[in-house]
Amino acid sequence: ETGVTQTPRHLVMGMTNKKSLKCEQHLGHNAMYWYKQSAKKPLELMFVYSLEERVENNSVPSRFSPECPNSSHLFLHLHTLQPEDSALYLCASSQHIASGVTDTQYFGPGTRLTVL
Amino acid sequence: KQEVTQIPAALSVPEGENLVLNCSFTDSAIYNLQWFRQDPGKGLTSLLLIQSSQREQTSGRLNASLDKSSGRSTLYIAASQPGDSATYLCAVWYFGNEKLTFGTGTRLTIIP
Repeated sequence: ETGVTQTPRHLVMGMTNKKSLKCEQHLGHNAMYWYKQSAKKPLELMFVYSLEERVENNSVPSRFSPECPNSSHLFLHLHTLQPEDSALYLCASSQHIASGVTDTQYFGPGTRLTVL
Repeated sequence: KQEVTQIPAALSVPEGENLVLNCSFTDSAIYNLQWFRQDPGKGLTSLLLIQSSQREQTSGRLNASLDKSSGRSTLYIAASQPGDSATYLCAVWYFGNEKLTFGTGTRLTIIP
């Protein structure tokens, strides 16, 4: 496997379910990100981890819970979601996180989440 | 408010034509600007990154320009091909932010 992988690719869940999204990067990067992409809206940054520590949380509801056990893996735990949480969830990684560093983010293919 | 705008939201062009995609941003104090491509239902692929001190970047048939004073960037695609059909996203890293600010994208369709 190369680049950034995400599983599952598609997920349908009820509002009372608990599920987890998984992201793995094979690039040796130090920073990982979760984004939410809703129809006709800009990508929204949800969480950022640098060297396994959370450095950014953009006021995301507590029903989304991230976990970064090591620099290669990132999880997003989901519980009691709402229908408006249906979206494409994208994971990304980069070598660094610091502002101004000439650093490209590499994205995974995303998980298409539908909340019924 | 620091925003990124891409107009039009959708564009259709016959194969073989040259085309320009537009991106505008609200604050000239930026670190860099990036163009990404997104195929339907998939993640983003980085195309070009322009540093604040640069005026343009080129990769193959793609050329991206940056004009901070006017708050504009363009992505020029030469000799368009059906495989260029995708959504093109512009993202800006503003001073004082620890994240990219994305536009909503332009969905490009190349007509064979």
